[in-house]
Amino acid sequence: AQSVSQHNHHVILSEAASLELGCNYSYGGTVNLFWYVQYPGQHLQLLLKYFSGDPLVKGIKGFEAEFIKSKFSFNLRKPSVQWSDTAEYFCASRRGTGRRALTFGSGTRLQVQP
Amino acid sequence: DAGITQSPRHKVTETGTPVTLRCHQTENHRYMYWYRQDPGHGLRLIHYSYGVKDTDKGEVSDGYSVSRSKTEDFLLTLESATSSQTSVYFCAISESGALSDTQYFGPGTRLTVL
Repeated sequence: AQSVSQHNHHVILSEAASLELGCNYSYGGTVNLFWYVQYPGQHLQLLLKYFSGDPLVKGIKGFEAEFIKSKFSFNLRKPSVQWSDTAEYFCASRRGTGRRALTFGSGTRLQVQP
Repeated sequence: DAGITQSPRHKVTETGTPVTLRCHQTENHRYMYWYRQDPGHGLRLIHYSYGVKDTDKGEVSDGYSVSRSKTEDFLLTLESATSSQTSVYFCAISESGALSDTQYFGPGTRLTVL
């Protein structure tokens, strides 16, 4: 069974600081990777996704993620966070074959202080 | 935002009572999913559907059943609710299940079982 690990459970940053959230997945075959964000009281929204091609993926709101196959990683980055980035961030994976459901990590709560 | 609604949005019920949650989509997407979100666990798949009357179990399906009699509606039933089923339930949809597919999430239902 595949799994997704997010090692940072709670991150506190000041505005303008750089952000990197870790994500590691376990499946060794073809894999699709996603980052979702959940703002307080809201549903999950897609930030970015990787299916194939360029391992550096750019998403909405200035976020990007890099797929490193050799490290089974898909870390999320943003060069300068804003207070409005305060949210919970979920990494998810999906195997390239078989069932289409996502496997989620446990999430990282980001708190940006003004 | 994708056209996904969930009802009810909030529900408090007592142990042993049946509960049905409804997910309704206006996108005519083939795949529909039910996840539950719990602190420290991210989102976990309960059941999913790949077409009318076609459903399959996810990783936490015990105590839940689903039905899909129309493309637009996917019902999640707790036959006899227990306190361990207190959670936030999210419905998601995706168009085709293809490798390039993306899941979009509904607003969630907060269920409390006393």
